[in-house]
Amino acid sequence: SAVISQKPSRDICQRGTSLTIQCQVDSQVTMMFWYRQQPGQSLTLIATANQGSEATYESGFVIDKFPISRPNLTFSTLTVSNMSPEDSSIYLCSAEKPQGETSYGYTFGSGTRLTVV
Amino acid sequence: QKEVEQNSGPLSVPEGAIASLNCTYSDRGSQSFFWYRQYSGKSPELIMFIYSNGDKEDGRFTAQLNKASQYVSLLIRDSQPSDSATYLCAAVSGDYKLSFGAGTTVTVRA
Repeated sequence: SAVISQKPSRDICQRGTSLTIQCQVDSQVTMMFWYRQQPGQSLTLIATANQGSEATYESGFVIDKFPISRPNLTFSTLTVSNMSPEDSSIYLCSAEKPQGETSYGYTFGSGTRLTVV
Repeated sequence: QKEVEQNSGPLSVPEGAIASLNCTYSDRGSQSFFWYRQYSGKSPELIMFIYSNGDKEDGRFTAQLNKASQYVSLLIRDSQPSDSATYLCAAVSGDYKLSFGAGTTVTVRA
């Protein structure tokens, strides 16, 4: 399965600023996703990162707040814009199986723990 | 309406016992189902996937799927303290998106 490197692993940011999180996959993957996990809760899908086109956002998430890029099949970024303390959370990227593989499985990056003060 | 529901737990089992985790899903179009293990402060780790009715065994883990009942379960045999974690059930929809349940926290007592 794919191996995902995600950075930064954690950050403390001032409210009103923006943070960009990067995910690099070690092989080409068809699908990449961004999730948020708030303390003690499960994962909530933010958006699907589409290669070469605009991301597809889930209800409650908008491009102005969470712009996403995916310039190729191995890399994606999520920006958390104009941050407030409510954005404090763990952000995770995920990738589906590498192209050509028959096995199933969605792999996750190690996560970014964001604290907004 | 939540698409994936898990028995809320927490679940506490003695070492060596069987831990039983349950999950139901609402989307009949879901075809593949996953169990992830998440240790505190870590990202989810895939431990099992299943897409055919019946049982699938991998070491001490057995996943069971019943599409007619829209039910997925995970059994952990010979539970070890290292199995103490939160277990997340997930289902894939036609657009390849994963929907997660709330998770069940398992504690294995030594």
